Amino acid sequence: EPEVTQTPSHQVTQMGQEVILRCVPISNHLYFYWYRQILGQKVEFLVSFYNNEISEKSEIFDDQFSVERPDGSNFTLKIRSTKLEDSAMYFCASSEALRSGSLGYTFGSGTRLTVV
Amino acid sequence: GQQVMQIPQYQHVQEGEDFTTYCNSSTTLSNIQWYKQRPGGHPVFLIQLVKSGEVKKQKRLTFQFGEAKKNSSLHITATQTTDVGTYFCAGLRNNRLAFGKGNQVVVIP
Repeated sequence: EPEVTQTPSHQVTQMGQEVILRCVPISNHLYFYWYRQILGQKVEFLVSFYNNEISEKSEIFDDQFSVERPDGSNFTLKIRSTKLEDSAMYFCASSEALRSGSLGYTFGSGTRLTVV
Repeated sequence: GQQVMQIPQYQHVQEGEDFTTYCNSSTTLSNIQWYKQRPGGHPVFLIQLVKSGEVKKQKRLTFQFGEAKKNSSLHITATQTTDVGTYFCAGLRNNRLAFGKGNQVVVIP
């Protein structure tokens, strides 16, 4: 069963530092996403990415966030100057098509970011 | 913006009983997807509904999409302890899949 792989599983960082969260989407998927989930709350959309550019982003995805697909396999989320409220589980997801067909989005296991 | 609301937020269900969770959108959706997240886990895709009035079944799970494509329900029969987790509906409108707050289900043995 193909998987979306995320690293690291847990990252602790000091407030104001930059972090890069890494994801390897499923190889034949074309659409990539970042979501976040603050503990016990809902899964919030951050950004979608297709054809090497952002296709949609939410109000949360402000100038401190950026995404990149530096090579053919990795998809990264960079948070430039972390704040305490950035502490959350960050999920990467991918899908075959925008309308995701019958298989939905495949989520990775997440990176738990703790800002101290 | 698009709002997807789920009720109830929490449910305690006796093992063997049935329960239903509901999802409502403020806008018409292209499709609706359901995900399950086990405690400490990540969302796992269950099903997608596309057509108005569509009903799909997966063993003990029955999913329904409303005629107006603004609401959906998930009905689980004969609840088992493995059904514990949070059930999210997610509505696709334009290019964004927006999740509801989820229905956290606790199963009482």
